[in-house]
Amino acid sequence: QLVLTQSPSASASLGAPVKLTCTLSSGHSRNAVAWHQQQADKGPRFLMRLNSDGSQNKGAGIPDRFSGSSSGTERYLIISSLQSDDEADYYCQTWGSGIQVFGGGTKLTVL
Amino acid sequence: EVQLLESGGGLVQPGGSLRLSCAASGFRFSDYAMNWVRQAPGKGLEWVSAISGSAISTFYADFVKGRFTISRDNSKNTVYLQLNNLRAEDTALYYCAKDMVATTTPDYWGQGTLVTVS
Repeated sequence: QLVLTQSPSASASLGAPVKLTCTLSSGHSRNAVAWHQQQADKGPRFLMRLNSDGSQNKGAGIPDRFSGSSSGTERYLIISSLQSDDEADYYCQTWGSGIQVFGGGTKLTVL
Repeated sequence: EVQLLESGGGLVQPGGSLRLSCAASGFRFSDYAMNWVRQAPGKGLEWVSAISGSAISTFYADFVKGRFTISRDNSKNTVYLQLNNLRAEDTALYYCAKDMVATTTPDYWGQGTLVTVS
């Protein structure tokens, strides 16, 4: 069964780097994922598609401080220098055979 | 600029029906799959359904169980979600989202339309 696991919360200081983790269920290490950002009281925003080899396609207008990396069943969203605007919920998402699955989301707090 | 504008949400009694619409602009509509994703109050995102660009293929989350139907009219650049036999647990903000390729990931999202079942 295709499942994505995310930590419910994370925090980091303004200007610091942060790395959010999304874990694919066993047997799905070749799956690509996407990362979406949802700021408070707003609709989601696509950040990037992240492949198993670490290659990525970012959405339109996404700042360079957002990047991704992959290792085994782990997919990471990295923010190099945290800004106040980055305080949001972050969801990873994957797909297969027409079906899509979202992780539970990580609430990122900027200290 | 890609724009997605949902409409059709509202308050409905359990067992009732609603038809959601999403008007799209800013891209060649028929070339892309479209998705519906929902978010219950205070909860995370939950994929509901997707339809291919040609409308030949449709896909649903297990919890839909024949109650919802996705469709599209490429002449009107509009995608629909028919919601039948609604339950209290279907209460959510329903987002329309353009797919990046073909039923993979949304790359543009609308602002959502609220469905309240009570």
